[in-house]
Amino acid sequence: GQSLEQPSEVTAVEGAIVQINCTYQTSGFYGLSWYQQHDGGAPTFLSYNALDGLEETGRFSSFLSRSDSYGYLLLQELQMKDSASYFCAVRGSVSGGYNKLIFGAGTRLAVHP
Amino acid sequence: DAGVTQSPTHLIKTRGQQVTLRCSPISGHKSVSWYQQVLGQGPQFIFQYYEKEERGRGNFPDRFSARQFPNYSSELNVNALLLGDSALYLCASSLLEGRNEQYFGPGTRLTVT
Repeated sequence: GQSLEQPSEVTAVEGAIVQINCTYQTSGFYGLSWYQQHDGGAPTFLSYNALDGLEETGRFSSFLSRSDSYGYLLLQELQMKDSASYFCAVRGSVSGGYNKLIFGAGTRLAVHP
Repeated sequence: DAGVTQSPTHLIKTRGQQVTLRCSPISGHKSVSWYQQVLGQGPQFIFQYYEKEERGRGNFPDRFSARQFPNYSSELNVNALLLGDSALYLCASSLLEGRNEQYFGPGTRLTVT
C-alpha cells in the first residue's frame, strides 16, 4: 500500500523559516508533490520532486531523498498569508490511475505576528 | 483563462437521495480526477478520466460513478447517499495523464442529513 506521514500542526512567527517533513511508503515512486490549501479553498500546486535534491521556487523550496523515502517543504520569510494547510502527495501506481494522487493528512501551519 | 469550475458550490441532500456534481476542466486539459475531502483530512482519490475513459478508481463503493463528456467536462454521481458521504468533493484537471501538477476546482460542499 501507500501512505504518507506529516506533522499535524506547525506554528511559526512572521519572517521565520519553517520546515514541514513528509515520510512516505509507496510501491513504485513517481514523485513527491506539495499542495497548499487555505481554509475554504482548493488545493493549489506548490512544487514537485522526482529526483533527489532541492527544488526552489521563490520563498518555497522542496527537498527529496528517495533512499530515505523522505521529503520536506521549506518556507522562508514567512508571511501571514502562508497560514494554511500543506499536503504532501505521491502519485499512485499506474494500476490505480495515472493521475491518482495519494495525499497525506496535511500539516496546518499557523503564522503569528 | 478560466480555472477549473465546479457546480453547485453547496448542496444539501437527505439520506437515500442521489446527487450529481459537475466539473469543467481548464481549457485544453484532457484529464479529470475526482477527490473526496473530509474535514481535517487530505483529499481521497475517487476516479480519474482521460479522453472519456475511466483510467483509475479509488476505494469507493459502487454507489459512486462518474463519466467524462466529449468536451472533457465530467460528472460525479453518488447514489443512495449516506451521512458519511458529507464532504468536499474536488475536481482536478491536468493537461495529460501522469502529471503530478493538478489544478483543483473550488469544490462542491455536500451535506447529507
